[in-house]
Amino acid sequence: TQLLEQSPQFLSIQEGENLTVYCNSSSVFSSLQWYRQEPGEGPVLLVTVVTGGEVKKLKRLTFQFGDARKDSSLHITAAQPGDTGLYLCAGATYDNAGNMLTFGGGTRLMVKP
Amino acid sequence: NAGVTQTPKFRVLKTGQSMTLLCAQDMNHEYMYWYRQDPGMGLRLIHYSVGEGTTAKGEVPDGYNVSRLKKQNFLLGLESAAPSQTSVYFCASSDGTGDYNEQFFGPGTRLTVL
Repeated sequence: TQLLEQSPQFLSIQEGENLTVYCNSSSVFSSLQWYRQEPGEGPVLLVTVVTGGEVKKLKRLTFQFGDARKDSSLHITAAQPGDTGLYLCAGATYDNAGNMLTFGGGTRLMVKP
Repeated sequence: NAGVTQTPKFRVLKTGQSMTLLCAQDMNHEYMYWYRQDPGMGLRLIHYSVGEGTTAKGEVPDGYNVSRLKKQNFLLGLESAAPSQTSVYFCASSDGTGDYNEQFFGPGTRLTVL
């Protein structure tokens, strides 16, 4: 069974601060996805990283895939209250079921004004 | 497009009762998935389907059954509900191909088993 350890589990910060969320595994994944989930809704994809060492930026969010494709990080610069939510990483593997995702436990972020 | 819809949104059951959760997608996706989400544990795959008429077990299939009689619908059944099945259930669909394949999630069903 593949496991994804996500840390921290909870994070409460002030508006304007920076933060990093980590996603680690002993398994190699074909790609790594980051989702964001609002209360009462399903997760929504933010980004997919595929290549070892890949870095993607989405406005103030920076995503990195580890060189060995076993870990990933999400860095938010100058967090805003609108960034509040649950962030989930998911490792993707491919078999005859298509894209199978293994989810981390999630990081619940609260950004205070 | 409605995307992925789930019914009902909320349900309370007594131990031993049965129910069916319905998931529908209008994106013509081949692949559909049922997950459960519990605090601190992310989403865990219950069952999935790679096409109409096919189903397969995921990570936590015990106590659940599924059916995919039509391509757009994926049903999750609980034959005899237990308190351990109290959770939020999410359905997802995807076209299942490519490195950048995305799963689209429904809004969830919050189930409480007393």
